[in-house]
Amino acid sequence: DVQMTQFPSSLSRSAGDRVTIECQASQDIKKKVNWFQQKFGEAPKLLIYDSSNLEPGVPSRFSGFGSGTFFLLTIASLQPEDIATYYCQQYHSLPYTFGQGTKLEIK
Amino acid sequence: EVRLVESGGGLVKPGRSQRLSCTTSGFSLGAYSMSWFRQAPGRGLEWVGFIRSNGGTAEYAASVRGRFTISRLDSSNVVHLQMNGLRTEDTALYYCARGGGEHLPAQYWGQGTLVTVSS
Repeated sequence: DVQMTQFPSSLSRSAGDRVTIECQASQDIKKKVNWFQQKFGEAPKLLIYDSSNLEPGVPSRFSGFGSGTFFLLTIASLQPEDIATYYCQQYHSLPYTFGQGTKLEIK
Repeated sequence: EVRLVESGGGLVKPGRSQRLSCTTSGFSLGAYSMSWFRQAPGRGLEWVGFIRSNGGTAEYAASVRGRFTISRLDSSNVVHLQMNGLRTEDTALYYCARGGGEHLPAQYWGQGTLVTVSS
């Protein structure tokens, strides 16, 4: 199985900060990564698909980058409504696997 | 408006069966693969499996393969997750999602239905 190692597991930043979350795959998965945002008590929401494509309706402060084994989710300027847990997911090889999640808090 | 509504969750004893349903609206179900995910209390997301469109073959996580079956009835806009031989570790909030197969990401999600496996 492809292991998705996501870090950090949690972070605390101030509003307006640039935030970067990393995800490393245990093997080459091309660009087959999605990023999801899950706010407390809500269903996950797709942010980024195919590593770098912004889902329609998602604010442009979110961006994704990467291919192969290294992937990044960046929030250019953190907003209070971005408080959530973020997950990467690979769909290159079955079984599709998620990272452990990054819990983002605002200072 | 795309809408997915899961139902069928509840308290079930270990070893028993439960069937979850995902009722869809706002799109043509037959054109899309459909996925199930789950999230144990306080834990991360886990992919359970998906069923393809146009023929409906399915893929499963190792943890559920042989016990869970995904099926679809496109004419009724519903997808099912039949869960047999339930274990305490299957306790989770179960989500269905549109997409999530090889070609499309899981773009739309339901709100989930809670399955608790306990004696």
